[in-house]
Amino acid sequence: GAGVSQSPSNKVTEKGKDVELRCDPISGHTALYWYRQSLGQGLEFLIYFQGNSAPDKSGLPSDRFSAERTGGSVSTLTIQRTQQEDSAVYLCASSLGRRRDLTYNEQFFGPGTRLTVL
Amino acid sequence: RKEVEQDPGPFNVPEGATVAFNCTYSNSASQSFFWYRQDCRKEPKLLMSVYSSGNEDGRFTAQLNRASQYISLLIRDSKLSDSATYLCVVNVYLTGTASKLTFGTGTRLQVTL
Repeated sequence: GAGVSQSPSNKVTEKGKDVELRCDPISGHTALYWYRQSLGQGLEFLIYFQGNSAPDKSGLPSDRFSAERTGGSVSTLTIQRTQQEDSAVYLCASSLGRRRDLTYNEQFFGPGTRLTVL
Repeated sequence: RKEVEQDPGPFNVPEGATVAFNCTYSNSASQSFFWYRQDCRKEPKLLMSVYSSGNEDGRFTAQLNRASQYISLLIRDSKLSDSATYLCVVNVYLTGTASKLTFGTGTRLQVTL
């Protein structure tokens, strides 16, 4: 079946421009997560959605970062006035998320968007 | 102290060897645990969920020790294709069905001929 998809797969932008990254989760998954990963580093949690609301935005690094989710499905992560330190792979994951069971919290990742800020 | 700690490695082992990774977590309220595998420049993929009683999937065995707050992953009869970074993931339930997953930075495994 269809997995998590993300677009674009690669994005090169100039410092100061805004970028929008898109995530399309697995159908029926209510929970959606954004992470970023710099080269050779671990995953850095950014934000988590349950349905359309974001109970945990604690990982957003600055107010230049925002995310929304509409219709309980597609999510967009927006980075305004990009900086070179924003260069990373941005990963989206989704999970069933409706219950406190192990399998409902198993996250499945998309292929990521590689962002390069020049 | 980090919420989830792993030895970064690398663990270099010959094909056919048995290798074990440990992962410690600091939050005693953690309630579910996973192992993910990440190949170079690829997204993480779920390897195993870790059940309280421990579980096995082919050559892979996962164990949980709540008293000491660690989980382990054992790989038997290592294959070249097992070379990857193994990520330990710990889940803490918040209110309702909200939960927070914390990823370790990973342990790198290199299996050689």
